[in-house]
Amino acid sequence: EVQLVESGGGLVQPGGSLRLSCAASGFTFSDHYMDWVRQAPGKGLEWVGRIRDKANSYITEYAASVKGRFSISRDDLKKSLYLRMNSLRTEDTAVYYCARDLGRGGSLDYWGQGTLVTVSS
Amino acid sequence: DIVMTQSPDSLAVSLGERATINCKSSQSVLYSSNNKNYLAWYQQKPGQPPKLLTHWASTRESGVPDRFSGSGSGTDFTLTISSLQAEDVAVYYCHQYYSTPRTFGQGTKVEIK
Repeated sequence: EVQLVESGGGLVQPGGSLRLSCAASGFTFSDHYMDWVRQAPGKGLEWVGRIRDKANSYITEYAASVKGRFSISRDDLKKSLYLRMNSLRTEDTAVYYCARDLGRGGSLDYWGQGTLVTVSS
Repeated sequence: DIVMTQSPDSLAVSLGERATINCKSSQSVLYSSNNKNYLAWYQQKPGQPPKLLTHWASTRESGVPDRFSGSGSGTDFTLTISSLQAEDVAVYYCHQYYSTPRTFGQGTKVEIK
């Protein structure tokens, strides 16, 4: 069974940093691109970014709203995905989901339950 | 960026009746080399992550009831629930994965009339 479990969310002050983790199981993690998607309270879905697989040089891509502040990485041996968030703003407050890319550049077929990040003073 | 616009923002449908949600992209998401539309539909219930219903515009995910169907090509797409059930109350999102940044529609809330 495919499982994605996020962790690391919490309350952080504006300007602060946080690292989210996503532990994967039930599939060959190294074969898949992986994405982060967020959802502000009561709002819609916003794509944050993704990381490709080793065969595609672990290339990362980001939404304009987080580029230069957020960084995605992965550890295929640990079957884990990470999101490093720096210079956090109040508008970054959201539930952050990790999601598996069905193929290489396909739809997102499995999602974690999400972890809440609250940026507030 | 490709802008995805859904209509309506919300709709109320009687149990057993048809629900239709539209999604329009600001540019085509049809990849000519493989003739596939890079368009997916998701269902999200309160407190839950999104669930993939269809991808490639019309391919239903395994386990998704056949009352859900996706259609359309190019820039205009539709998700149809042929006979609304109580458990279908949710917000539905269209999503293009043709190019990055990936983008989602604003969501359509489906309720029981």
